[in-house]
Amino acid sequence: EVQLVESGGGLVQPGGSLRLSCEASGFTYSGSWMSWVRQAPGKGLEWVANIKEDGSDKNYVDSVKGRFTISRDNAKNSVYLQMNSLRAEDTAVYYCARDHWANSQMFDYWGQGTLVTVSS
Amino acid sequence: DIQMTQSPSSLSASVGDRVTITCRASQSITTFINWYQQTPGKAPKLLIHAASNLQTGVPSRFSGSGSGTDFTLTISSLQAEDFASYYCQQSYNNPKTFGQGTRVEIK
Repeated sequence: EVQLVESGGGLVQPGGSLRLSCEASGFTYSGSWMSWVRQAPGKGLEWVANIKEDGSDKNYVDSVKGRFTISRDNAKNSVYLQMNSLRAEDTAVYYCARDHWANSQMFDYWGQGTLVTVSS
Repeated sequence: DIQMTQSPSSLSASVGDRVTITCRASQSITTFINWYQQTPGKAPKLLIHAASNLQTGVPSRFSGSGSGTDFTLTISSLQAEDFASYYCQQSYNNPKTFGQGTRVEIK
């Protein structure tokens, strides 16, 4: 059974930092690109960042460039999102998802999400 | 960035109805579009990939069509469990972008 389990969310003050983790099981994690996708309360989905299988390629949405860093540890089947200089507009549920390519790209496996609230 | 515009933003329908949701891309994305379903409090679920390919395990009442800039998700006969929000997503290039969503509500 495929599982993606996020952790690390919580309440943080503006300007603060938080590190999200996502542990994967049930599929070939080391052979998969991975992404973080977020959803602000009552809003739509926004792709945040992704990372190549070996960590050698990373991409970010403009709004988080220079503040967020995606990384992975294939030995631990885990992907991380280090979030610095947090802003109120970063408040969202953060999902990790497998960023899969099979003739085209798709997010085929998703975690349950972890809530990040940026507020004083 | 490629903008994805869904319509309508919401709709009311009854069980058994045929429902159509459209998504328009700001530039041609050939068939690089996916569709997701999301129920409240849950993660999105992949329904359709590459415009018209049904994801494994998804009921055949769901179908997708289109190419270029205009795409459609159709539910042929709406079931109770289909009341949810639906999102399109372009996979043509980075940043991958989603439509704003369509909420399907019970009439």
